[in-house]
Amino acid sequence: KNQVEQSPQSLIILEGKNCTLQCNYTVSPFSNLRWYKQDTGRGPVSLTIMTFSENTKSNGRYTATLDADTKQSSLHITASQLSDSASYICVVSSASGAGSYQLTFGKGTKLSVIP
Amino acid sequence: DAGITQSPRHKVTETGTPVTLRCHQTENHRYMYWYRQDPGHGLRLIHYSYGVKDTDKGEVSDGYSVSRSKTEDFLLTLESATSSQTSVYFCAIRDRNTDTQYFGPGTRLTVL
Repeated sequence: KNQVEQSPQSLIILEGKNCTLQCNYTVSPFSNLRWYKQDTGRGPVSLTIMTFSENTKSNGRYTATLDADTKQSSLHITASQLSDSASYICVVSSASGAGSYQLTFGKGTKLSVIP
Repeated sequence: DAGITQSPRHKVTETGTPVTLRCHQTENHRYMYWYRQDPGHGLRLIHYSYGVKDTDKGEVSDGYSVSRSKTEDFLLTLESATSSQTSVYFCAIRDRNTDTQYFGPGTRLTVL
């Protein structure tokens, strides 16, 4: 069964500090991995997408890494801001040549940035 | 938000009543999805559609039905709502060019 595990479940950091969120997956066949940000009361919004051959992808203060050998990804947030307070969801896509397409969602990491 | 709207945004209903949630998109995407999101669970797929009148079940489809009579609208129906269906429901579309799912703002449903 395809699975995505995220850690930590929740995290509190001071404004201006850096943090790293983790994602481990067992999904086959692997197509891509995406990080979503979900603000309270809103739908998830895509931050980054990485395919098998990509190791690092940045989007402003967000940097995602992917190690396809160990099936691990991380999302690093630099110089955190209060607006970074949200849930961050790791999503792995699986697509076979037969046209089947499946997303496996992690449960998310809830990040709170405090002044 | 990729032109996705959901209605209603909030609904409170009683056990046993039928409920229909609507998802509307303005960008003519072929693929549309309904998810539910509950504490302690990731987003879980209820049903999806790959075209007008073409739908299929997801992992938590029991108690739900869907219909898609037009490209822009995807309806989710709870024939007889139960308290276990209290949840936040998200509609999504898939942009095949970028392989990205874009989510709507969500509908918070409470079944008393």
